Amino acid sequence: ETGVTQTPRHLVMGMTNKKSLKCEQHLGHNAMYWYKQSAKKPLELMFVYNFKEQTENNSVPSRFSPECPNSSHLFLHLHTLQPEDSALYLCASSRQGAEAFFGQGTRLTVV
Amino acid sequence: RKEVEQDPGPFNVPEGATVAFNCTYSNSASQSFFWYRQDCRKEPKLLMSVYSSGNEDGRFTAQLNRASQYISLLIRDSKLSDSATYLCVLLRGGYQKVTFGTGTKLQVIP
Repeated sequence: ETGVTQTPRHLVMGMTNKKSLKCEQHLGHNAMYWYKQSAKKPLELMFVYNFKEQTENNSVPSRFSPECPNSSHLFLHLHTLQPEDSALYLCASSRQGAEAFFGQGTRLTVV
Repeated sequence: RKEVEQDPGPFNVPEGATVAFNCTYSNSASQSFFWYRQDCRKEPKLLMSVYSSGNEDGRFTAQLNRASQYISLLIRDSKLSDSATYLCVLLRGGYQKVTFGTGTKLQVIP
């Protein structure tokens, strides 16, 4: 248990569905991140939030919409996804200049 | 040139062997360095930070060479449980620039 909790752990959704991934951290960190990891590919940074403000959007398609209501919670809203968006979505948090701690991830399958 | 480069492996080593991985980076402004391990279908977990003076944690030794722009991880007396993918991570600019290497796969063989 790293103090970063993601729900759901597994999600199967159709291309016309709308769903949301949730991340919560209990570590008092100021930064939160969304990463995507496709099969046999490296981690790809998607979004960074620092004190609730988005500081990085790594050219992510608009069908992925992040939301950070406070420093402890991070959401990733999904709509009209494509099968190639199937991947492991990882949330992480950190203090400035320090290592990141990851949640267990949501394994997403788009059908 | 990629910002971070790692040999993907796999490194297949017998139990008890010593194995070392390097990770090279291109941006000299990189400030903090870490090694993570990732087991198959699991999230990355912090293995150790890498300090300029080098640091050791049990069988694991990490080193940073700023002049040549690489970090290294040495694993002594390999165990079967060390089998995983080892990711190097660079941090610069505080929160904004976190870069993961593609990982080096280690397989320890009985």
